[in-house]
Amino acid sequence: EAGVAQSPRYKIIEKRQSVAFWCNPISGHATLYWYQQILGQGPKLLIQFQNNGVVDDSQLPKDRFSAERLKGVDSTLKIQPAKLEDSAVYLCASSPYRGASGNNEQFFGPGTRLTVL
Amino acid sequence: KQEVTQIPAALSVPEGENLVLNCSFTDSAIYNLQWFRQDPGKGLTSLLLIQSSQREQTSGRLNASLDKSSGRSTLYIAASQPGDSATYLCAVRLAGNMLTFGGGTRLMVKP
Repeated sequence: EAGVAQSPRYKIIEKRQSVAFWCNPISGHATLYWYQQILGQGPKLLIQFQNNGVVDDSQLPKDRFSAERLKGVDSTLKIQPAKLEDSAVYLCASSPYRGASGNNEQFFGPGTRLTVL
Repeated sequence: KQEVTQIPAALSVPEGENLVLNCSFTDSAIYNLQWFRQDPGKGLTSLLLIQSSQREQTSGRLNASLDKSSGRSTLYIAASQPGDSATYLCAVRLAGNMLTFGGGTRLMVKP
């Protein structure tokens, strides 16, 4: 079974530029997550999709970050314009959905390391 | 708001030692707790998942325990090896599948 795929693996941009990340979840996984992991910290959830609908985006800085999952499969996360403090690893994860109390274990991709200069 | 804390933040031990990593959380209304391993430049690999009704889980040299009422979990690594060097993260799952992570423990096992 293929895992969660992400691209690119690395990206270096200057502040105020735009950047986009792509994620392909494990086949059949209904739920997709984007996390931001700043160096030395644990991952922080940015947004959670159930199929193509947003479940939770309360920690997404909506003035500059946007995400979509148009057909309920692949997803893109965009930052426009980028700031220095956006330098981090952006992790995508997916999970099956087996109900609110089911085992909805999340599987993580390798991440995209973003450096903003 | 759920907060997850991991102690220590970093740990260096000689090969062969048994060691314990600690995780504490503020809200005991969790569905499960998960321990992950993260190697430099890599994503997260799930090590153990403990459901809220369970007390412990074991996989090879790893044993994780959960005391939900006190808001604590420990990850026990037996007979540590240099290949165990990585960052270990614990995360608790709340309603809606949301995971809240601790800051991690960076482990170095010296040959």
